[in-house]
Amino acid sequence: DAKTTQPPSMDCAEGRAANLPCNHSTISGNEYVYWYRQIHSQGPQYIIHGLKNNETNEMASLIITEDRKSSTLILPHATLRDTAVYYCIVQAAGNKLTFGGGTRVLVKP
Amino acid sequence: GAVVSQHPSRVICKSGTSVKIECRSLDFQATTMFWYRQFPKQSLMLMATSNEGSKATYEQGVEKDKFLINHASLTLSTLTVTSAHPEDSSFYICSASDTGYTFGSGTRLTVV
Repeated sequence: DAKTTQPPSMDCAEGRAANLPCNHSTISGNEYVYWYRQIHSQGPQYIIHGLKNNETNEMASLIITEDRKSSTLILPHATLRDTAVYYCIVQAAGNKLTFGGGTRVLVKP
Repeated sequence: GAVVSQHPSRVICKSGTSVKIECRSLDFQATTMFWYRQFPKQSLMLMATSNEGSKATYEQGVEKDKFLINHASLTLSTLTVTSAHPEDSSFYICSASDTGYTFGSGTRLTVV
């Protein structure tokens, strides 16, 4: 049961901001929005998560709409090493993470 | 930060043999660990939830007698693929839950 919808792929230019959208219109009040990424043949890497407020860390920013039905992950200055599949997941804390299809991001020079 | 170590990173085995994959939480205790499988160009599929000191909870369609999970301590869970066949060839990934979810680096299993 897909809880999130993401575009299957997107390209972005090196050095520019990458904005990755995610729709989660059926999100429940106790569910967080998590973002992970997976570089080829590696395990997923945690990026950021949030509940209601926008969040920022050293890797990215997470913008969650007021109705919480969608969010955007922002990579402020994309590098070639940011090429990966990015997964948006909604899940209650402590519950298992269920992955959808993700967005395959290609950062181009 | 939290680190999850997974071994081996790569294994090739003959059809009909069994393979054990280990998942260790190095700097935290994990009462719950998760096992995923990923086929080429597909997303991660949750196989089972491993609970320390109790039986694992398997997702629908995953054979519990084929994929044996043992979580005997708070830092170690193992997945044994029994009587492996070529169709079991896949990328297996574990995850441990601490304050968040930390993933291992994965195990590439090839059954020949």
